[in-house]
Amino acid sequence: AQTVTQSQPEMSVQEAETVTLSCTYDTSENNYYLFWYKQPPSRQMILVIRQEAYKQQNATENRFSVNFQKAAKSFSLKISDSQLGDTAMYFCAFITVGRGIQGAQKLVFGQGTRLTINP
Amino acid sequence: DTEVTQTPKHLVMGMTNKKSLKCEQHMGHRAMYWYKQKAKKPPELMFVYSYEKLSINESVPSRFSPECPNSSLLNLHLHALQPEDSALYLCASSQDVGAGGTLSTDTQYFGPGTRLTVL
Repeated sequence: AQTVTQSQPEMSVQEAETVTLSCTYDTSENNYYLFWYKQPPSRQMILVIRQEAYKQQNATENRFSVNFQKAAKSFSLKISDSQLGDTAMYFCAFITVGRGIQGAQKLVFGQGTRLTINP
Repeated sequence: DTEVTQTPKHLVMGMTNKKSLKCEQHMGHRAMYWYKQKAKKPPELMFVYSYEKLSINESVPSRFSPECPNSSLLNLHLHALQPEDSALYLCASSQDVGAGGTLSTDTQYFGPGTRLTVL
């Protein structure tokens, strides 16, 4: 079974600090995609960053970067210069192939990390 | 424009009511998804539509009935729901799905959700 584990249910840091959210996953596939999604309180879930497993280079998006360790099946998210607007639930997710007729894309989510940025 | 819209934002219904949730995207995406999300939990996949055909049904009770009238619209018809069905219902879409076991590279974009309360 494909699983995603986020071992930190909650984290809290001061504004402008750097914070790292951990994520590990389990799969027997060699080619897949990993995502970090952000869901602010009572707001829409949005994509933060995406990593393709066949790419060795870690993905970055402005203040957000990942540390992708394929052999260790680890995919952590680093947020630099954290801002109050970064307060949200962060979900790590993994693409697996579903059981549909066309092998539909199926996201497997971790349980989430609730991140609070304090002023 | 990476927008997925959902109506209504909030819905309160009794156990004998029939109601519908609506989702719309104008990004030309050919895959659409329904998720159920309980508080402080990750989204749980319910249904996947690929090219307007039901591709995945995650063993969802028949009181939830999805419909995809065209490539831009996705409905979820609700009938005889139970209080435990109260949750945030999320719609998502992606450009394409992988065919025949191949992986899609496309990101899922989420709508803001409908918060459903069943009395």
